[in-house]
Amino acid sequence: DAKTTQPTSMDCAEGRAANLPCNHSTISGNEYVYWYRQIHSQGPQYIIHGLKNNETNEMASLIITEDRKSSTLILPHATLRDTAVYYCIVRAPSGNTPLVFGKGTRLSVIA
Amino acid sequence: DAGVIQSPRHEVTEMGQEVTLRCKPISGHNSLFWYRQTMMRGLELLIYFNNNVPIDDSGMPEDRFSAKMPNASFSTLKIQPSEPRDSAVYFCASSLTGISGNTIYFGEGSWLTVV
Repeated sequence: DAKTTQPTSMDCAEGRAANLPCNHSTISGNEYVYWYRQIHSQGPQYIIHGLKNNETNEMASLIITEDRKSSTLILPHATLRDTAVYYCIVRAPSGNTPLVFGKGTRLSVIA
Repeated sequence: DAGVIQSPRHEVTEMGQEVTLRCKPISGHNSLFWYRQTMMRGLELLIYFNNNVPIDDSGMPEDRFSAKMPNASFSTLKIQPSEPRDSAVYFCASSLTGISGNTIYFGEGSWLTVV
């Protein structure tokens, strides 16, 4: 079972920041937080991951609370092409642990 | 890099026929995963391999499903005989086990319809 809780859906105005929350209150000390998204009819796409420090890449920023029980994915300037289902996943980094997907958040970016 | 390559992209077959889905992982990756996605059940892990060896096949729904990885650059998922309830999108994914994290990359999927 997925170890994360996410809102079912969210809307965001085009050009504004999209902030997607995720709760993972049972996360273990060595588990990472991964974010993927799935645009309609495509395979899941990796966005970002982190352990306890905030992370930023060309796609997004990941903010993890100090107690690591929740995190927020930030898309700084959402575009229509960011409309997708966003999955927050907790995963151990060792070996080849698979991803366990929950239902994710359906983000709709509105013009 | 070409990414994870899956074939066929779309297949329509009749109930009872054998279906073979193919996957070429990213070159150099040593882990391979097969997932299935349906509206009802979402994304489910079917089986995964590490260094060509099946590690966990507990997600394979029944004996009609089988997967092989004869070498590091090729894997198949076979359904025999196929049933309408097998209609789904099947994703293959791969990763390289490493120290700093082992991001899993997905292919574009094989859309299977069994009529």
